[in-house]
Amino acid sequence: DTGVSQDPRHKITKRGQNVTFRCDPISEHNRLYWYRQTLGQGPEFLTYFQNEAQLEKSRLLSDRFSAERPKGSFSTLEIQRTEQGDSAMYLCASSPPSGIAPYNEQFFGPGTRLTVL
Amino acid sequence: DAKTTQPNSMESNEEEPVHLPCNHSTISGTDYIHWYRQLPSQGPEYVIHGLTSNVNNRMASLAIAEDRKSSTLILHRATLRDAAVYYCILSKGNTPLVFGKGTRLSVIA
Repeated sequence: DTGVSQDPRHKITKRGQNVTFRCDPISEHNRLYWYRQTLGQGPEFLTYFQNEAQLEKSRLLSDRFSAERPKGSFSTLEIQRTEQGDSAMYLCASSPPSGIAPYNEQFFGPGTRLTVL
Repeated sequence: DAKTTQPNSMESNEEEPVHLPCNHSTISGTDYIHWYRQLPSQGPEYVIHGLTSNVNNRMASLAIAEDRKSSTLILHRATLRDAAVYYCILSKGNTPLVFGKGTRLSVIA
């Protein structure tokens, strides 16, 4: 399967614990995006990378959220001191280099569903 | 980001065409109109996008009003597998997507 993969698919944790999610983009996709989706809502943008550079992180929900993409390939999203309000689906997407086309579609992974008890 | 307005839900009979409307009256000249859909328990998937002219691909057609203040996603023959939430999104290019609540399409056999 050459699509975007995310691990784990499901995570149950207790309030106050730290969690880390991994996203593996499609090979050679240089842009990687993180979104969060709560029940009944559309995905909400969190942050994104072009190669290893984090281009936008002001939308991260609090300083408990951080993301990395150290080698420009896979990315991790960490939530420290989880709260019940962090329960949601965390989606990752990737897109190829811009090249000639002004727009490239984003390819989404299946998401990681987080439940904070 | 310019906003879009979509009906909360729509219903269609199987094998009939479906027209999903989207209003975007504050669209700017550099905004692309994108459509993504999200099937149950899956991440969103790209459907189609356009700038000014109508567009066709294997999944759907996109009809864009002449003033670009509205657009319509057309599924020519709805199947049960088309039941999903459809999102109409404006974006200037390779930037993060701003999703609304979308339109939940139900397809009746």
